[in-house]
Amino acid sequence: ETGVTQSPTHLIKTRGQQVTLRCSSQSGHNTVSWYQQALGQGPQFIFQYYREEENGRGNFPPRFSGLQFPNYSSELNVNALELDDSALYLCASSPRGGRALNEQFFGPGTRLTVL
Amino acid sequence: DQQVKQNSPSLSVQEGRISILNCDYTNSMFDYFLWYKKYPAEGPTFLISISSIKDKNEDGRFTVFLNKSAKHLSLHIVPSQPGDSAVYFCAASFLSNFGNEKLTFGTGTRLTIIP
Repeated sequence: ETGVTQSPTHLIKTRGQQVTLRCSSQSGHNTVSWYQQALGQGPQFIFQYYREEENGRGNFPPRFSGLQFPNYSSELNVNALELDDSALYLCASSPRGGRALNEQFFGPGTRLTVL
Repeated sequence: DQQVKQNSPSLSVQEGRISILNCDYTNSMFDYFLWYKKYPAEGPTFLISISSIKDKNEDGRFTVFLNKSAKHLSLHIVPSQPGDSAVYFCAASFLSNFGNEKLTFGTGTRLTIIP
């Protein structure tokens, strides 16, 4: 049973560019959540996908968008990158929607730097 | 608006002693609380949780206490071991009318266990 994996590990982009981050869920998990962790802060919820549909969103602008695929892997897309988008992006998967947070597993994250 | 607060950015404790990490929250809707542990270059790992219907939950060396009237929770680790050195995040959630929930994290406390 593989855990949650994310790619790439590190990424450097310039302001105004677009970026796609990828996440593979733990086997058997159908729910994926994305978080942004800025330096010195706790992770902030971006959005959640459950069975390929967005299932809740945090206070992030529309230039943050996502997808979940039939195999439950997921992408986070960020358009028109800003300097403040520099952060660690964490993906977490859980076995179902609803209350399953203690069964949620996090990936190691993608470190995005925007210059 | 920081709904979950960890006011101590860092804490140092002698090996074998008790470590106490504190967390305060402001949103009365929160009804489920979790603690996560994070090592560098890894995602947060679930440690222990507590529902708002309880005031204490124990799991081995880890105990979480919840004081709803004070909107305060704490994590006790006893005895503290060198491997406990990590950043600890407090997180809170509630189940929305749509059946989804999102985690709201605190800013973390870096715990250092001194051998």
